[in-house]
Amino acid sequence: ILNVEQSPQSLHVQEGDSTNFTCSFPSSNFYALHWYRWETAKSPEALFVMTLNGDEKKKGRISATLNTKEGYSYLYIKGSQPEDSATYLCAPILTGGGNKLTFGTGTQLKVEL
Amino acid sequence: EAQVTQNPRYLITVTGKKLTVTCSQNMNHEYMSWYRQDPGLGLRQIYYSMNVEVTDKGDVPEGYKVSRKEKRNFPLILESPSPNQTSLYFCASGGGTSGAYNEQFFGPGTRLTVL
Repeated sequence: ILNVEQSPQSLHVQEGDSTNFTCSFPSSNFYALHWYRWETAKSPEALFVMTLNGDEKKKGRISATLNTKEGYSYLYIKGSQPEDSATYLCAPILTGGGNKLTFGTGTQLKVEL
Repeated sequence: EAQVTQNPRYLITVTGKKLTVTCSQNMNHEYMSWYRQDPGLGLRQIYYSMNVEVTDKGDVPEGYKVSRKEKRNFPLILESPSPNQTSLYFCASGGGTSGAYNEQFFGPGTRLTVL
C-alpha cells in the first residue's frame, strides 16, 4: 500500500490567519496528485489535480504547489475564514500502481472567530 | 444535475445477511470506485472500475464484491457482512479515459452498521 503522509494531523487557526499543510509521497514513478476538501457531514470535493513538478494551482484563497522530485505538495490557505474549516485530503497516483487512489489521512483545519 | 447517487444512505443489518449498496452516476464517467472511511484511517479504496466489465482491487477489497455491467452503475456487494465492515462508504466517479487521473465526484455516503 502506498505510503502517503499528511501533516499536521490537525490545525487550529484564527480567522484571517494564513496557513499551510503538507502532503508527502514516494517521489519515484509519480504520475499525478489530487487534493480534496471534505467538510463535516458532506462528501469530499475536488480542489486540484496536479501533474508537473513546480506546478502551482489556485482556486480563490486556496493554492497548492507540487515538488515531484522530493515527493511533497503544499496546500496554502490565505486569510482563513470559518467556512474553510474542513479536512483536506491528498491522493497521489504513481505509475505502475494501476489506477488506485490512495488517500492520506488528511489535515483537519478549524478556523475560529 | 450532474451527480453520484447512493442507496441506501443508512443501513443497519446483522452479521451474515447479504446486502448491496447501489451507486449510480449520470456524468457518463468511465472510472468508478468505492471507499470506506473509518476514524483515524481516512478514506481507503475498496474496488475500482475503469469501464464496463473491468474491475480491480483497491487497498482493502477483502469481504467485498463489485460488478460493472452498465457504465452508470457500480454496486457494492457484501456477501456475508461482519461487524468490522461497519463504516461510512462512499462511491465516486471520474471522467475522461485516464482512469483515476481526473478529479473524482463523490456520492453522499452510506452509513452501514453490522450488528
